[in-house]
Amino acid sequence: GAVVSQHPSRVICKSGTSVKIECRSLDFQATTMFWYRQFPKQSLMLMATSNEGSKATYEQGVEKDKFLINHASLTLSTLTVTSAHPEDSSFYICSARKGPGGSNQPQHFGDGTRLSIL
Amino acid sequence: TQLLEQSPQFLSIQEGENLTVYCNSSSVFSSLQWYRQEPGEGPVLLVTVVTGGEVKKLKRLTFQFGDARKDSSLHITAAQPGDTGLYLCAGARGGNTPLVFGKGTRLSVIA
Repeated sequence: GAVVSQHPSRVICKSGTSVKIECRSLDFQATTMFWYRQFPKQSLMLMATSNEGSKATYEQGVEKDKFLINHASLTLSTLTVTSAHPEDSSFYICSARKGPGGSNQPQHFGDGTRLSIL
Repeated sequence: TQLLEQSPQFLSIQEGENLTVYCNSSSVFSSLQWYRQEPGEGPVLLVTVVTGGEVKKLKRLTFQFGDARKDSSLHITAAQPGDTGLYLCAGARGGNTPLVFGKGTRLSVIA
């Protein structure tokens, strides 16, 4: 199978803290990784696309200085929420896609990180 | 503009009933993927359909890709409480682009 591990699964911290979320593809090399945000009872909202070794591509309205993405290897991408505030509280999910094959390759998802900023 | 219109948005049925979820678009997709997500977890891939007119079966679930590759459906036969969850369709637009997700169908199967 294709396993994606996301860590931590839950974070509760004070306003102003920076939080790092890791996403690892455990048994395949992920040329491309994606970061999503999901609000309660809604679908996934794409935040950014991350390609190994290059800068992430952010969706319109997503602050790149607020949500720092690093994809340093073919098996690891990280999302850092800098100076988090209560409005950043959400469910963040990463996914990884095997390469090559492009968008027809399935995206495999981590189990998400529930971020709560007090 | 939502590229993929998924319907119904919510569905509550009794155990044993059949149901169909629809995913429609005016755009052509190179493939379409269906996912199921349970609360507090990430989506899990159910199937990928690639060829226009393709039908795939996964136990009681039947997936169909439209001939023109603009729409897809998921049919569940004899639904069970374990089928409860959020069903998401996602279309691939080719190249290295991200998937386009529908808004999801929240299914509740009552015993």
